[in-house]
Amino acid sequence: GESVGLHLPTLSVQEGDNSIINCAYSNSASDYFIWYKQESGKGPQFIIDIRSNMDKRQGQRVTVLLNKTVKHLSLQIAATQPGDSAVYFCAAPETGANSKLTFGKGITLSVRP
Amino acid sequence: NAGVMQNPRHLVRRRGQEARLRCSPMKGHSHVYWYRQLPEEGLKFMVYLQKENIIDESGMPKERFSAEFPKEGPSILRIQQVVRGDSAAYFCASSSLGGDTQYFGPGTRLTVL
Repeated sequence: GESVGLHLPTLSVQEGDNSIINCAYSNSASDYFIWYKQESGKGPQFIIDIRSNMDKRQGQRVTVLLNKTVKHLSLQIAATQPGDSAVYFCAAPETGANSKLTFGKGITLSVRP
Repeated sequence: NAGVMQNPRHLVRRRGQEARLRCSPMKGHSHVYWYRQLPEEGLKFMVYLQKENIIDESGMPKERFSAEFPKEGPSILRIQQVVRGDSAAYFCASSSLGGDTQYFGPGTRLTVL
């Protein structure tokens, strides 16, 4: 089955620095990936997604990179702000559209002032 | 545009009571997913429903748990005879037909005393 996991449990960065959060997946057939942000006491919030026919996708201050060869994706946050402090999850649908998502445990991003 | 709505946000039950969690999907979405999150862990899939149909309940415990998504009204996750181990945050997500992206509600935090 699909396994989507995050490498490190916590990441502490200085405000204004760039953050990089990494994620590995096991199912080479996965063709769609999502990054979610979850603040304390709230539900996961969609940040950005990427399909397997792309290597890179940019949003506002966020970039997702996909390396299909090593089954790895990363979320880059530029000029990290205190409001970015949260738990970040990568996720992938198990069997395509309208199927359950498999999540990693989550990595906590802590931004130092 | 209203997002995914869940109620109640917090629910306290004593062991042996029933818990009913409600989810209204995002407007235009006909697919609902329920996930459970234990403290310090990622989200685990429970069940996926369309209107009047359970599509995938592979993550649902065999006993005491049930889910429905009637033709009219919200989706309901019901937990009968709750035990302390049921204490968790329960999140609902919705997607459109053929949609990969799932959007989450704020969750219901169930505490079993």
